[in-house]
Amino acid sequence: LAKTTQPISMDSYEGQEVNITCSHNNIATNDYITWYQQFPSQGPRFIIQGYKTKVTNEVASLFIPADRKSSTLSLPRVSLSDTAVYYCLVGDPGRYALNFGKGTSLLVTP
Amino acid sequence: DAGVTQSPTHLIKTRGQQVTLRCSPKSGHDTVSWYQQALGQGPQFIFQYYEEEERQRGNFPDRFSGHQFPNYSSELNVNALLLGDSALYLCASSFSGDRANYGYTFGSGTRLTVV
Repeated sequence: LAKTTQPISMDSYEGQEVNITCSHNNIATNDYITWYQQFPSQGPRFIIQGYKTKVTNEVASLFIPADRKSSTLSLPRVSLSDTAVYYCLVGDPGRYALNFGKGTSLLVTP
Repeated sequence: DAGVTQSPTHLIKTRGQQVTLRCSPKSGHDTVSWYQQALGQGPQFIFQYYEEEERQRGNFPDRFSGHQFPNYSSELNVNALLLGDSALYLCASSFSGDRANYGYTFGSGTRLTVV
């Protein structure tokens, strides 16, 4: 399983863009990069998934460089409700277990 | 469209007792996974059920067992409870045919407290 490293915590003000970077040096050819968001006392929620280059949806963007050894989750113009823990996961969709690390705790303040 | 439903939401048990947690997957999903999340940690994979069989298991002792029913719902059983089993237990469902999309749907969990 590819090991991921991401910051333990980040702070931001409302309206700012937040970029959370995840390192995954030993990513395998079949691995996808997936980000989940988790609020207290709730289950994780799928945000975005990508394999290479850039992926964008209504919630976030995911930037993956050509070597795929890192990825950056970008949250545009965050609000207080974006305060949550964000997990970067790397794995083969053919595998069954999701490998969560400790995640990045994002605090958004006014 | 109901998502993943877990019951009960909270539970208090005594050391040595047994507990059963229940999960109904999202409509259209046929695979159920269980995760344990201790306070301040990320979820840890317990096992996954597909076609009523345990398909993969994480690093958890045999005290943790499960079952999947023909309607795809699932149960997690924990025997001989320890204080360290106190955690949020999460159920996640997915569709076996959706291999490219790694997006699982999680329930809100069952908060188990062992005293």
